Amino acid sequence: QVQLVQSGAEVKKPGSSVKVSCKASGGTFSDHAISWVRQAPGQGLEWMGGIIPLFRTTNYAESFQGRVSITTDESTRTAYMEVSSLRSDDTAVYYCARGDTPMIPDHSAFDVWGHGTMVTVSS
Amino acid sequence: QLVLTQSPSASASLGASVKLTCTLSSGHTNYAIAWHQQQPQKGPRFLMKLKSDGSHIKGDGIPDRFSGSSSGAERYLTISSLQSEDEGEYYCQTWDTGIVVFGGGTELTVV
Repeated sequence: QVQLVQSGAEVKKPGSSVKVSCKASGGTFSDHAISWVRQAPGQGLEWMGGIIPLFRTTNYAESFQGRVSITTDESTRTAYMEVSSLRSDDTAVYYCARGDTPMIPDHSAFDVWGHGTMVTVSS
Repeated sequence: QLVLTQSPSASASLGASVKLTCTLSSGHTNYAIAWHQQQPQKGPRFLMKLKSDGSHIKGDGIPDRFSGSSSGAERYLTISSLQSEDEGEYYCQTWDTGIVVFGGGTELTVV
């Protein structure tokens, strides 16, 4: 049974950066896409971007391009998402999620979710 | 442009059935989607992957009360024998080359 365990809550100042981790336990890691999804307070789910380690490809949603970086460390089975130049409207819960279909160079249904990491941006 | 459209809210009685709809944008009517449930104050949970022919694969431990079906651009989630714990937000999700898209979510109230 695959589980995605995320790092703990963060409080950051505007203009700073935050890096959230997502560690996979069980199953395979590199052959599945990992995506990051943001949920602002009271809002819906918003895809930020994703990485497919096996094919060394990364995609970002247009609204996050240039300010978000998604990476993986296959030795530790961990994915990372870093947001720079934080603003108050980046205050949200950030989830990682795994694509269900292995060995494909693209995204698919999310079949496993992390528990979420609350990031608060406040001066 | 790939877009998923969901009604903002739905309500149904305890023990009854409800059918939620997710509509794919024009030109994408043969796409598969996934349904996710988010109970209050919890993270999302994968319910099922639903194809254009109505075939679906459910996530681990998802009860038989949850089923999916398709018709043209519409993808449906039917929940039968509604229970109080079925209250929450339901999101559909789809994907294309290099992108993932979510619907706006439907808030389900069980009365």
